[in-house]
Amino acid sequence: AQSVTQLGSHVSVSEGALVLLRCNYSSSVPPYLFWYVQYPNQGLQLLLKYTSAATLVKGINGFEAEFKKSETSFHLTKPSAHMSDAAEYFCAVSGSSASKIIFGSGTRLSIRP
Amino acid sequence: GAVVSQHPSRVICKSGTSVKIECRSLDFQATTMFWYRQFPKQSLMLMATSNEGSKATYEQGVEKDKFLINHASLTLSTLTVTSAHPEDSSFYICSARDFRVGTDTQYFGPGTRLTVL
Repeated sequence: AQSVTQLGSHVSVSEGALVLLRCNYSSSVPPYLFWYVQYPNQGLQLLLKYTSAATLVKGINGFEAEFKKSETSFHLTKPSAHMSDAAEYFCAVSGSSASKIIFGSGTRLSIRP
Repeated sequence: GAVVSQHPSRVICKSGTSVKIECRSLDFQATTMFWYRQFPKQSLMLMATSNEGSKATYEQGVEKDKFLINHASLTLSTLTVTSAHPEDSSFYICSARDFRVGTDTQYFGPGTRLTVL
């Protein structure tokens, strides 16, 4: 069985500040891990994914995430927040890159001017 | 990147009617598609896995007779919400598996917002 837990349903940071969105996973098999972003009334956009290669994964829009097996974590970071980063972010896990994906509860990111 | 489309993007229907939502992979063949639903301000919940040429696999708690899934071709899966009721109002999102060599990933459609009056 697989699951993800996103810590914090809402995160607010100032423009230019570090963004840190937390995700912990549980998986009985080596996991594939994903971060998706969703803007209001839109579908999902893949930010990045971990597929057992490099533990530090770089994605689009300046985001990156680090896979830490010892901590079962896959936190998402961005050095400097932009107003356009305001959205809902979902961490997700699967047993492979193309099997069914299980989503976390989501974290709403707000950016203060 | 690969594109997945959904039609319609929005639909409003009366209680008791049926609504069909289409999910298409536009530039690749998808033997496997997935259907999710998302309630307002909540996460995506997997409803079922749609396999081309065979019956869909439903997640626990999802009524297969209410949410009919047909995957008749390698580029099209349909979700039919039968006898829709207001509690079925939700955002329905599909994803399609692109298993071409070197790819093997999933792409999500833009979603369909269903409102049942």
